[in-house]
Amino acid sequence: DVKVTQSSRYLVKRTGEKVFLECVQDMDHENMFWYRQDPGLGLRLIYFSYDVKMKEKGDIPEGYSVSREKKERFSLILESASTNQTSMYLCASTTGQGSDTQYFGPGTRLTVL
Amino acid sequence: AQSVTQPDIHITVSEGASLELRCNYSYGATPYLFWYVQSPGQGLQLLLKYFSGDTLVQGIKGFEAEFKRSQSSFNLRKPSVHWSDAAEYFCALEYGNKLVFGAGTILRVKS
Repeated sequence: DVKVTQSSRYLVKRTGEKVFLECVQDMDHENMFWYRQDPGLGLRLIYFSYDVKMKEKGDIPEGYSVSREKKERFSLILESASTNQTSMYLCASTTGQGSDTQYFGPGTRLTVL
Repeated sequence: AQSVTQPDIHITVSEGASLELRCNYSYGATPYLFWYVQSPGQGLQLLLKYFSGDTLVQGIKGFEAEFKRSQSSFNLRKPSVHWSDAAEYFCALEYGNKLVFGAGTILRVKS
C-alpha cells in the first residue's frame, strides 16, 4: 500500500513564526501536492512538484513556499505564519502517469495564534 | 475554467436508506472524475474514479457513480447506507495532473 505520512497531526504556532510542514511518501511517486482544507471551500491547491527541485504554484500560493530536495519528501513552508493560515493541510502524491489516483496523508491541523 | 460544484453542504439519511450525493462539473474536455471520502480525523480515501468507457462506475464500500455528459454530472450513490458511512465526501476533477475539488458534502446517518 502507498503510504503518505505527515510530520505532525496537530501544530500550534504563533504569528510571525516560520513553520515547516513535512510530507514523505514511500512509493517513489513523481508528483507531490500540498492542499489546504477549509470548511465550505473543499481542498485548494497551494503548490505541487513534478520532480526533485521543481515546483509549481497552485491556486493559492501566497504566503507559502515549498522545497523538494529528495523525491520522497515535500516540505511546505510558511515564512511568517499568520492567523488566516490556520487550517488543515493535506499532502498527496501520485505516480505522474495520466489520470492516476492521488494518495493523501492524514493531514496536519495547524493553528496560528 | 474548470470547476466542481457539490450543491448539498449537508445531507442526513436514515441507516438503511438509499443515498445520492450530487456533483456537477465544468470542463471543456472529457473529464477525469473522482469521488473521495474523508472520515473524521483522517485523510482522503478514493472511493471510485471515471476515466472513460462505461458510464456507471463501481467503487469500494458499495458505492457507485454515474457519469452523465449531457448533465455534466457525476453523482455518487449507495443503495443502503450504514452508520459507518458518516463522513465528508468530495467530488474532484482532474486537469493537467492536478485535481480541483468541490466544497464537499457532509453525510450524517441517523439510526
